[in-house]
Amino acid sequence: DAGVIQSPRHEVTEMGQEVTLRCKPISGHNSLFWYRQTMMRGLELLIYFNNNVPIDDSGMPEDRFSAKMPNASFSTLKIQPSEPRDSAVYFCASRGLAGGSYNEQFFGPGTRLTVL
Amino acid sequence: DAKTTQPPSMDCAEGRAANLPCNHSTISGNEYVYWYRQIHSQGPQYIIHGLKNNETNEMASLIITEDRKSSTLILPHATLRDTAVYYCIVDRIQGAQKLVFGQGTRLTINP
Repeated sequence: DAGVIQSPRHEVTEMGQEVTLRCKPISGHNSLFWYRQTMMRGLELLIYFNNNVPIDDSGMPEDRFSAKMPNASFSTLKIQPSEPRDSAVYFCASRGLAGGSYNEQFFGPGTRLTVL
Repeated sequence: DAKTTQPPSMDCAEGRAANLPCNHSTISGNEYVYWYRQIHSQGPQYIIHGLKNNETNEMASLIITEDRKSSTLILPHATLRDTAVYYCIVDRIQGAQKLVFGQGTRLTINP
């Protein structure tokens, strides 16, 4: 299994540009999570999906951020327009069916975003 | 959700046991203790979790006090590859989708 796949691994863009981050969860997992990590705020959950449906987006900082999961094998996190304060490492994670036991979240390698 | 308190940093000699403490004095009866770690530049990785009994797996042991207000993660024979930030998280097992990461403990294993 290739694990959670994220692309691109690094992204450098200019303020005002649209940025799209991509994630392919582990096959068979039904939950997908987007996190953001900065030195100031640490690792924080932005949004998560169950069965392709957004369940909780309370962590999304503002309307400039949007996330979609059109199918079980793909998700995007879009920032439009981007700002320098969006610079961070963005992680995607996936998780299998919870049932009555704990299934851990598997994290991807992250996308390091720099907005100039 | 209950909050956790961890020391910001710790050092341990290679080959020795690393003991990472976590305080969670407001933990509820249906809340579990989870541990994840993050090696530099990588995504977090699950280690272990427990409710009230001590737990052990191939990576570590988890010791939870009888009153459940604190716990200790034990890496029995630390190696240089165990250098990472270790996060202690408290949540319900059904609600453990929303992992709330604190600042964690930065563990440095010294040769």
